[in-house]
Amino acid sequence: EPEVTQTPSHQVTQMGQEVILRCVPISNHLYFYWYRQILGQKVEFLVSFYNNEISEKSEIFDDQFSVERPDGSNFTLKIRSTKLEDSAMYFCASTPVGRRTDTQYFGPGTRLTVL
Amino acid sequence: DQQVKQNSPSLSVQEGRISILNCDYTNSMFDYFLWYKKYPAEGPTFLISISSIKDKNEDGRFTVFLNKSAKHLSLHIVPSQPGDSAVYFCAASEGGSEKLVFGKGTKLTVNP
Repeated sequence: EPEVTQTPSHQVTQMGQEVILRCVPISNHLYFYWYRQILGQKVEFLVSFYNNEISEKSEIFDDQFSVERPDGSNFTLKIRSTKLEDSAMYFCASTPVGRRTDTQYFGPGTRLTVL
Repeated sequence: DQQVKQNSPSLSVQEGRISILNCDYTNSMFDYFLWYKKYPAEGPTFLISISSIKDKNEDGRFTVFLNKSAKHLSLHIVPSQPGDSAVYFCAASEGGSEKLVFGKGTKLTVNP
């Protein structure tokens, strides 16, 4: 069964450094999402992306964050200057068409630790 | 901002019995609700959903009930199996938005 994959599984970085988290959505999916989960807290929406544009973003997704689909398969989340509070589990998700009622399929996540 | 609340952080049930997981919401604009299951080191996996035009949706051992007037939904698992042990997240969305708003999750343990 096709699945969303994410790399790396764990990323450790120093505060102020840039990180890029990578995702390979399911191949025929068109809508892509990033969520994060700070330890002990709920999963929070960051951004949705369709047709090479951000379609929706949360207040968390400030100028330090950016997303890109650099080729036909990868979808990346960049954090320009990491803060301690960026430490979290980051999940990528995708849906085939992007109807609100479509199931969002989640990847296994990347654990980001900012020191 | 607790638009979706799961007030029970954990639930323990015997194998074969019913598991009932509860979720409350405050945003009356939510009209689509989902349950996701999450095992350690994996991403959330979709279980079942319900639209606000319905009050019940069933899929095998899983049934979701929606009480709009109480802004409450529940997930029933019958019969519960040890493999159901996981964290269960309630999520909701509203018209015009693609984002899912999640609760904090309930850790279900099904004891053999």
